Amino acid sequence: DAKTTQPNSMESNEEEPVHLPCNHSTISGTDYIHWYRQLPSQGPEYVIHGLTSNVNNRMASLAIAEDRKSSTLILHRATLRDAAVYYCILRDVVRGSARQLTFGSGTQLTVLP
Amino acid sequence: EAQVTQNPRYLITVTGKKLTVTCSQNMNHEYMSWYRQDPGLGLRQIYYSMNVEVTDKGDVPEGYKVSRKEKRNFPLILESPSPNQTSLYFCASRPIPTGANVLTFGAGSRLTVL
Repeated sequence: DAKTTQPNSMESNEEEPVHLPCNHSTISGTDYIHWYRQLPSQGPEYVIHGLTSNVNNRMASLAIAEDRKSSTLILHRATLRDAAVYYCILRDVVRGSARQLTFGSGTQLTVLP
Repeated sequence: EAQVTQNPRYLITVTGKKLTVTCSQNMNHEYMSWYRQDPGLGLRQIYYSMNVEVTDKGDVPEGYKVSRKEKRNFPLILESPSPNQTSLYFCASRPIPTGANVLTFGAGSRLTVL
């Protein structure tokens, strides 16, 4: 799977929007962009995914650059419960093997009250 | 509630004493997988299973065994645990086929091998 690059850590104030960046310059045309997050003492949980168009769900929005070499996870109003490690992952659903998503180190998001 | 359940959540054992970590899912998912999480190394896949009686090695299978006799269960077996298997373990599942490839994870099992 192609590699992603994320900042190690970010801070945000409560009730403010948060933009978590991810670079994936070697992305292929069949790679989906996935975001998971891991809250303290819990397993990772799915947040959102997309291929080319921007995506919205109840948890977040995903903005994908036109060239697809980067993407941004947007939390519209951060809460203390959003403090977690956020993982950006690419998954080739055509050529990929049955092996699962490769989780890197992610971005540790701290939300300040 | 749709979920992946792991047991035990915490376990301290000694070198060489066989142990099994159970994993069960109630979503009728075909695919199940085990990961271990270590500081600085992220999540690494140990074994996965595409369906009943079908298992395959992930990135770090040494020292582990798995079985998939039933669709809902995917136990992780450490025949002779060693201290380097001290880690946080996660089981996950997803349906097949799916383009989204969305995994559901268990809450984790923290294992300490003395």
